[in-house]
Amino acid sequence: AQSVTQLGSHVSVSEGALVLLRCNYSSSVPPYLFWYVQYPNQGLQLLLKYTSAATLVKGINGFEAEFKKSETSFHLTKPSAHMSDAAEYFCAVSESNTGNQFYFGTGTSLTVIP
Amino acid sequence: GEEVAQTPKHLVRGEGQKAKLYCAPIKGHSYVFWYQQVLKNEFKFLISFQNENVFDETGMPKERFSAKCLPNSPCSLEIQATKLEDSAVYFCASSQSRGGEEYFGPGTRLTVT
Repeated sequence: AQSVTQLGSHVSVSEGALVLLRCNYSSSVPPYLFWYVQYPNQGLQLLLKYTSAATLVKGINGFEAEFKKSETSFHLTKPSAHMSDAAEYFCAVSESNTGNQFYFGTGTSLTVIP
Repeated sequence: GEEVAQTPKHLVRGEGQKAKLYCAPIKGHSYVFWYQQVLKNEFKFLISFQNENVFDETGMPKERFSAKCLPNSPCSLEIQATKLEDSAVYFCASSQSRGGEEYFGPGTRLTVT
């Protein structure tokens, strides 16, 4: 069975500060991992994905995430927060060898303080 | 097209009425998924298709919900006799390959009054 845990439903950072959003997963097979962002009243936009290649994945808007198998983690980071980063962030996992659906975390709401 | 299209953007139905939502996946994508977002931070999987065949329907409330993906037509999600708790944003997503990233549509906001 697969599941995703996002620690911290709300995270606040100052503009220019480091952003760290945590994601831990459980999967019985090698996982594919994703981070999506959702702006108010909009759909999901893919930030980045891990699909068994490089463990450090770079995405759009300066975000990156590192797959750590030993910690079953896929935390999202950005060195310097921008006001436009304020949004809801979702971590998701899918099985690498099936067409099955995504399992989403419950999301982390990021607030950027000017 | 290069984006998943969903129509309508908003849908309002009285309790007990039928609601039908449509999704056009990205051309060439074989997998289509439907999700329900009731609260801001909870995505519930409903059903997935591989081409026109149901792939996984474990999330579907079968007594009132049905879905189809027919060749050369948009996929559809239909809710018979809507209830207040069906009020949610329904997202459609498509994927090119097994385990690949899912591209999400903008969603349909269903309000049941």
